Amino acid sequence: DIQMTQSPSSLSASVGDRVTITCRASQSINSYLNWYQQKPGKAPKVLIYAASSLLSGVPSRFSGSGSGTDFTLTISSLQPEDFATYYCLQTYTTPITFGPGTKVDIK
Amino acid sequence: QVQLVESGGGVVQPGRSLRLSCAASGFTFSSYAMHWVRQAPGKGLDWVAVVSHDGTKKYYADSVKGRLTISRDDSKNTLYLQLNSLRPEDTAVYYCAREDVGATSAGSFNWFDPWGQGTLVTVSS
Repeated sequence: DIQMTQSPSSLSASVGDRVTITCRASQSINSYLNWYQQKPGKAPKVLIYAASSLLSGVPSRFSGSGSGTDFTLTISSLQPEDFATYYCLQTYTTPITFGPGTKVDIK
Repeated sequence: QVQLVESGGGVVQPGRSLRLSCAASGFTFSSYAMHWVRQAPGKGLDWVAVVSHDGTKKYYADSVKGRLTISRDDSKNTLYLQLNSLRPEDTAVYYCAREDVGATSAGSFNWFDPWGQGTLVTVSS
């Protein structure tokens, strides 16, 4: 099975900060990597697919990069509505696996 | 609008069974692969299972293989998850999600969208 790790597990940031979250796969997953945002009590929402393609309607302050085993999600200027937990997900092969999540909270 | 609505969760004793449903609307259900994902209280997301658009292929997480069964009824636009021999560690919010597909210059890729609101299963004596 492909194991996904994320770093950091949590971070504190201020509105306007640039935030970067890293996701690493235990083996190459090409670009089969999604990023999801989840707020407390809500279902996850997809932000990015194919490692770097932004879903329609997702603010352009979100961006993704990487391929192979190393990926990043960047929020260029953190907004109040961005405080949430972020998960990466590999869809390269079954079993599909999520990263453990990165909680972004207010400094 | 495109919508998924789960139902069937509740409190159940260890070793008992439960069937979850996910009613789909606003899209051609039979054209999409569908997934179940669960989230234990205060924990991260765990993928559970997928069924292909035509129901012929099913894949499971190792942790649920042999106890949970995914199925679909395209005539009812409904996805199911049969949970048998339930254990306390199966306690979680269960989400259904549609697998959407798109193309980039690098090929065809998939993602989960939309998700349902989730249904809570609590396994406790």
